[in-house]
Amino acid sequence: AQSVTQPDIHITVSEGASLELRCNYSYGATPYLFWYVQSPGQGLQLLLKYFSGDTLVQGIKGFEAEFKRSQSSFNLRKPSVHWSDAAEYFCALMVGGGSTLGRLYFGRGTQLTVWP
Amino acid sequence: GAGVSQSPSNKVTEKGKDVELRCDPISGHTALYWYRQSLGQGLEFLIYFQGNSAPDKSGLPSDRFSAERTGGSVSTLTIQRTQQEDSAVYLCASSHPLTGRQETQYFGPGTRLLVL
Repeated sequence: AQSVTQPDIHITVSEGASLELRCNYSYGATPYLFWYVQSPGQGLQLLLKYFSGDTLVQGIKGFEAEFKRSQSSFNLRKPSVHWSDAAEYFCALMVGGGSTLGRLYFGRGTQLTVWP
Repeated sequence: GAGVSQSPSNKVTEKGKDVELRCDPISGHTALYWYRQSLGQGLEFLIYFQGNSAPDKSGLPSDRFSAERTGGSVSTLTIQRTQQEDSAVYLCASSHPLTGRQETQYFGPGTRLLVL
């Protein structure tokens, strides 16, 4: 069965520091992977997505993520965090076929706190 | 145009009452999804619409939950005889599948439901 794991429930970084949020997935075929961000009281905003091709994908707000098939990972990175990046981040998996095609499977989320 | 909109933004109801939640997708988006976000379960898929039909309703937690979509646009999620465990944020998303269903889902701000 497919699943997504975000090992870190809460991460705290200082403003200007680099950031890496971890995401591991379980799926037998090529996955479609997404990172969404949710600010308090807001819906989910797409940061970036991986469907195929280049394994390093660029997103909005200076975020990037790297797909590593051998590690079943899709970690999110940012070289320098801004205070406005404080939010909850969700990694999601879309399966590539079958009756559940299109359904997103989400990790439990990582809450990011940014210290000034 | 405008993004996905949902109403009401907040709903407080008494146990046993019925509630209706509304989703207005992005214009032209034929695919529509409902998800539920709760503290205990995280983000869970509920149902998927393609046009007015629902090929995947496997995520609905019980027969108290139903959804419909009319005119290929607005969707209503109905919860009958609400229970306290139904308290959650209900998120709607839409997408415009060009090649199957592997397309980005755009989320609304959600409806926060509290069952007393």
